[in-house]
Amino acid sequence: AQSVTQLDSHVSVSEGTPVLLRCNYSSSYSPSLFWYVQHPNKGLQLLLKYTSAATLVKGINGFEAEFKKSETSFHLTKPSAHMSDAAEYFCVVIKYSGNTPLVFGKGTRLSVIA
Amino acid sequence: ETGVTQTPRHLVMGMTNKKSLKCEQHLGHNAMYWYKQSAKKPLELMFVYNFKEQTENNSVPSRFSPECPNSSHLFLHLHTLQPEDSALYLCASSQDPSGSNQPQHFGDGTRLSIL
Repeated sequence: AQSVTQLDSHVSVSEGTPVLLRCNYSSSYSPSLFWYVQHPNKGLQLLLKYTSAATLVKGINGFEAEFKKSETSFHLTKPSAHMSDAAEYFCVVIKYSGNTPLVFGKGTRLSVIA
Repeated sequence: ETGVTQTPRHLVMGMTNKKSLKCEQHLGHNAMYWYKQSAKKPLELMFVYNFKEQTENNSVPSRFSPECPNSSHLFLHLHTLQPEDSALYLCASSQDPSGSNQPQHFGDGTRLSIL
C-alpha cells in the first residue's frame, strides 16, 4: 500500500532563511510523488512532481525536492523563504490500485516571519 | 486561473435546505473528483468520475449526491446536511484516473457552512 507521512504539522522560518518540509513515503512500487501548495481560501496548486526520472526535481516558485530511495524521503526545500510562501503544503503519492489515484499527507503549515 | 472553476465560492445553508455545488473544467480532462477538506483532518476523496461514469464512492452519506452530465461538468447536490458537513469542498480534474503519473488540477473550492 502507498502512503505518505509529513513529519511536521507546522514549520516556522524567518524571511530569507531556508525552508525544509519533510515527507517520507511508503510504496510497494517505484513511487510517483507530488508536492502541492494551498494558500488561504484557495485550492491546491501543483508545485512539482517526481516520476522516476531525475531524483532532484525543480518546481515553481524556487522550490525543489529530492527523491531518496534509501531514506524513503521526498523532502521539499527552498533556499530562501519569501513571505508569499506562507501556506499549507501537501506531500502526495500515487496509489496504483483502484480508481483513487492520490494519497495525501496531512499537510504542513509553513509560517514565514518578517 | 486554474482551469477548474467552482461556484459558489461560499455557501451558507440550513439543515433542511437543498443546494448544489458546481464545478467546470476547461482542460479537456476525462476524470473529475470531489474532495472534502475539514479543519485538522486530511483531505478526503468523496467521488471519482471517469468519462462521466462514477468509478468510486468512498462511503459517502446519501445526503451528498453527485452528478456528471459530461466530462467538463460536475455537480454535488446537497440535502438534509448536518453541522459536521461544514467544510471546504474541492473539485479536481485529471487527464485520466489510472494513476499514470497524472497530477490533478484543483479548483478554489466552495466553503460550505451548515447552520
